[in-house]
Amino acid sequence: KAGVTQTPRYLIKTRGQQVTLSCSPISGHRSVSWYQQTPGQGLQFLFEYFSETQRNKGNFPGRFSGRQFSNSRSEMNVSTLELGDSALYLCASRRGSTDTQYFGPGTRLTVL
Amino acid sequence: AQSVTQLDSQVPVFEEAPVELRCNYSSSVSVYLFWYVQYPNQGLQLLLKYLSGSTLVKGINGFEAEFNKSQTSFHLRKPSVHISDTAEYFCAVSGPDDKIIFGKGTRLHILP
Repeated sequence: KAGVTQTPRYLIKTRGQQVTLSCSPISGHRSVSWYQQTPGQGLQFLFEYFSETQRNKGNFPGRFSGRQFSNSRSEMNVSTLELGDSALYLCASRRGSTDTQYFGPGTRLTVL
Repeated sequence: AQSVTQLDSQVPVFEEAPVELRCNYSSSVSVYLFWYVQYPNQGLQLLLKYLSGSTLVKGINGFEAEFNKSQTSFHLRKPSVHISDTAEYFCAVSGPDDKIIFGKGTRLHILP
């Protein structure tokens, strides 16, 4: 069974631009979560989608948004990029709430 | 709300020696507990999880953890480490809202 895939793996943007990251969950998994990982703050929860509905949300500004499609694929969008948005963005999928969460390899975003 | 504290940001240990990575959590309700490992330039991989039942949980790669409700701890142990265990280890907790909160991570350095 294929794992969680994230595209692109690496991305370089400049301040003020916007970016869209994509995540394809494991087949049969209806939950997709997004995390931001930085050396200073560690892993911070962004949001979780389940069956196209946002189920949980972390403490990030409205510039960070996401959505989930009917095939469970998810996208995350960051608008008006800031230098501090440079991070590894990880996506994780799971079948249900108590099931194991499987992580993708991440998208490394660098904002110049 | 739940929170997780990993007491050591870095742990150096000699190869073939035992290791314990400490994790304490804070929650007013029953929680699920997890340990994940992140190898360089990769996503996170689940080592083990505690949902209920036996307080001693065995995971992959020879790791185990013990859930201690009175001390609100979930320390990770391995009796003999190998150079391939060099990685960052994350403790995580989830509560009734199914949101998974991660600790800041512990870097395990294996010394030859």
